[in-house]
Amino acid sequence: AQKITQTQPGMFVQEKEAVTLDCTYDTSDPSYGLFWYKQPSSGEMIFLIYQGSYDQQNATEGRYSLNFQKARKSANLVISASQLGDSAMYFCAMRTASKLTFGTGTRLQVTL
Amino acid sequence: EAGVAQSPRYKIIEKRQSVAFWCNPISGHATLYWYQQILGQGPKLLIQFQNNGVVDDSQLPKDRFSAERLKGVDSTLKIQPAKLEDSAVYLCASSSGLNHKETQYFGPGTRLLVL
Repeated sequence: AQKITQTQPGMFVQEKEAVTLDCTYDTSDPSYGLFWYKQPSSGEMIFLIYQGSYDQQNATEGRYSLNFQKARKSANLVISASQLGDSAMYFCAMRTASKLTFGTGTRLQVTL
Repeated sequence: EAGVAQSPRYKIIEKRQSVAFWCNPISGHATLYWYQQILGQGPKLLIQFQNNGVVDDSQLPKDRFSAERLKGVDSTLKIQPAKLEDSAVYLCASSSGLNHKETQYFGPGTRLLVL
């Protein structure tokens, strides 16, 4: 069985600061992909970043980076230089051959 | 490139009524997914299509929910009859294939309220 755990229901960060959103996962499949999505209040799920289980380097996409620690089964999202528009729900998800499983999400609020 | 399209964006119905949602995936994407997202939770997969065949419908409440993708492109999800607990956002997503590396791209969702 696959499981994604996001232990932070809500986070606050000041504008221009960096923030880390936690995600741990559990699977017995050797091949899997880890994804982060952003969901603003409008409801659309926006793809942010992907990390493959065999990737040696941590993924980066602009201000987003994924801190992948395979032995600890964690895939934390780091957002650098936070902006007011980053305020949203953030979901960690894991995909194996069978399906994509989501965590419960973390609500990020960026303050002035 | 156009994204995943969904309609309607909002729907309010009374319990025991029926409702249908439509999804048009990204052009060329063979795999299409329907998710249900209840307020405060992550999306939950209802059904997954590869072209016009069902890959996984294990979490679809088949007594009231049905979905089809007849020509391997557009898809419709139907609820009949609706219950109060069906109030949720219904998200459609598509990807190039089934591989674990394939990113799923989501549409804007349909917000359903059952009264």
